[in-house]
Amino acid sequence: EVVLTQSPATLSLSPGEGATLSCRASQSVSSYLAWYQQKPGQAPRLLIYDASKRATGVPARFSGSGSGTDFTLTISSLEPEDFAVYYCQQRSDWPPLTFGGGTKVEIK
Amino acid sequence: QVQLVESGGGVVQPGRSLSLSCAASGFTFSRYAMHWVRQAPGKGLEWLAVIWYDGNYKYYADSAKGRFIISRDNSKNTLHLQMNSLRAEDTAVYYCARDVGSSWIDRFDVWGQGALVTVSS
Repeated sequence: EVVLTQSPATLSLSPGEGATLSCRASQSVSSYLAWYQQKPGQAPRLLIYDASKRATGVPARFSGSGSGTDFTLTISSLEPEDFAVYYCQQRSDWPPLTFGGGTKVEIK
Repeated sequence: QVQLVESGGGVVQPGRSLSLSCAASGFTFSRYAMHWVRQAPGKGLEWLAVIWYDGNYKYYADSAKGRFIISRDNSKNTLHLQMNSLRAEDTAVYYCARDVGSSWIDRFDVWGQGALVTVSS
């Protein structure tokens, strides 16, 4: 099973600041990695797929990078609506499909 | 609009069974693979199962294998999850999610709002 480790667990930032979220895989997942955003009481929302492709309707301030075992989700300038929990997920080696433990981006 | 709506959640005693449904609308349901994903209270996301567009192939996480059954009725645009021998640790919000792929795994591009299942005596 591919284990995805996200860091940090919590990121405390102010609106307008940039955010860098990390996801590390226990083995190579090539570029088969997605990022999801989840707000309290809501379902997850697809942001990034195949490591760096933005999903439909996702603002350009969200970008993804990486391949192999190390991946990054970058939010260039945080908007109030970006404070949420972010999960990475791999589809390279399955079953099972696996998610990381999540990074919470909170208002400082 | 494209929508998934789960139903069937509730409180169930340990050892009992429960069936969840996910009604799809706004897209051609029979063209897409479908998943179930759950989230225990205050925890992260856990993938449970996927079923191919035609229902011919199903794959499960170890936590679901042997107790949960994923199925679909393309004539009714509905996805199902039959959960048997429920345990307290199955308490979670259960989401259905659409895959972009039909007979391959790609990404979850549409999610339902979730159904809460509480396993408690």
